[in-house]
Amino acid sequence: AQSVTQLGSHVSVSEGALVLLRCNYSSSVPPYLFWYVQYPNQGLQLLLKYTTGATLVKGINGFEAEFKKSETSFHLTKPSAHMSDAAEYFCAVRNSGGSNYKLTFGKGTLLTVNP
Amino acid sequence: DSGVTQTPKHLITATGQRVTLRCSPRSGDLSVYWYQQSLDQGLQFLIQYYNGEERAKGNILERFSAQQFPDLHSELNLSSLELGDSALYFCASSGLAGGYTFGSGTRLTVV
Repeated sequence: AQSVTQLGSHVSVSEGALVLLRCNYSSSVPPYLFWYVQYPNQGLQLLLKYTTGATLVKGINGFEAEFKKSETSFHLTKPSAHMSDAAEYFCAVRNSGGSNYKLTFGKGTLLTVNP
Repeated sequence: DSGVTQTPKHLITATGQRVTLRCSPRSGDLSVYWYQQSLDQGLQFLIQYYNGEERAKGNILERFSAQQFPDLHSELNLSSLELGDSALYFCASSGLAGGYTFGSGTRLTVV
């Protein structure tokens, strides 16, 4: 079974500061990894994904994440936070093969950006 | 617009009632997934359909059922509703290699 752990249900940063949202996963097979963002009263929007190849993945809005197999981690970073980044962020994992494309989500991290 | 359409956006109903949530996937996507999002449980996978067939089942209650029709739209039926069923219900669709595309959800309130 797969699982995702997001460390910190709430992260608060100042505008312009580094954003670091942590995600660790558990998977018995090579995973595909995803970060989604959810703004209030909206659906989830894909920020970035890792499938194969380069382990440093760049996404939308200046976010990036690095897949570290040895650490089973896929932390999300952004060099400089903007007020518009305030939202809830979800890390997710799925199998890289087979026909079951079910995504398993972490419990989410609420990001607050202070002026 | 993500390309995944969910209707209705909001639904208020009484306990014991039955409701149907509808989802139209993104053009070309054969897989449809249903998720429930609540404050205490987070995002819970309910069920997946692929080209009309049930492919995977998650934490879906027996009071809940779903189907995917030949035109690939899907419906989630929730019956004998309880207060605890109040949640956001998301539909998502996917192609072969990528992540999901989510709809904007249906907010169900059971009173």
